[in-house]
Amino acid sequence: NAGVTQTPKFRILKIGQSMTLQCTQDMNHNYMYWYRQDPGMGLKLIYYSVGAGITDKGEVPNGYNVSRSTTEDFPLRLELAAPSQTSVYFCASSPRDSRNEKLFFGSGTQLSVL
Amino acid sequence: GESVGLHLPTLSVQEGDNSIINCAYSNSASDYFIWYKQESGKGPQFIIDIRSNMDKRQGQRVTVLLNKTVKHLSLQIAATQPGDSAVYFCAEKSNTGKLIFGQGTTLQVKP
Repeated sequence: NAGVTQTPKFRILKIGQSMTLQCTQDMNHNYMYWYRQDPGMGLKLIYYSVGAGITDKGEVPNGYNVSRSTTEDFPLRLELAAPSQTSVYFCASSPRDSRNEKLFFGSGTQLSVL
Repeated sequence: GESVGLHLPTLSVQEGDNSIINCAYSNSASDYFIWYKQESGKGPQFIIDIRSNMDKRQGQRVTVLLNKTVKHLSLQIAATQPGDSAVYFCAEKSNTGKLIFGQGTTLQVKP
């Protein structure tokens, strides 16, 4: 299994541009999450999904959107990029009986908005 | 509000020594705790977890201790190796179901 795969690894955006961060997992996990990590800070939850077709806001959802059309994929969309969205983004997943427990993380996307 | 804090931002140990990384949590109703290791440029990697009905849990070279009386969690790494150099995060799962991460402690292993 590849686990959780994120693309791209790095991206530079101009203010106002949009982009989609891709995330896919091959472990058949029900739960998927998007976190952002700012320097010296803990991970903050952006959005999460308990299964295909179901998404919900986390702690810091403003400026982001998600969709979950399949069990495997959970893309994160930035519509109008702002400098405050400069961060490292991590996608994660966890199994059916492990909501918010034993998360498996991808390797991250480093995003800079200039 | 809820918060999880690590006592020291950086811990430096000699190779072969034991490491102890500490974490304080604020919600006495939290029932699940987890430690992650994050190497530079990588995503967090699960190390070990513990539920609140336990005081201690051991893995391979790692031990997690939970003191609910003082709301304190620690990760002990035996015979620390250069490959253990990383940022270590604790997280608690509160009674609302939220997973709250601490800010991380950087472990530096000196040869």
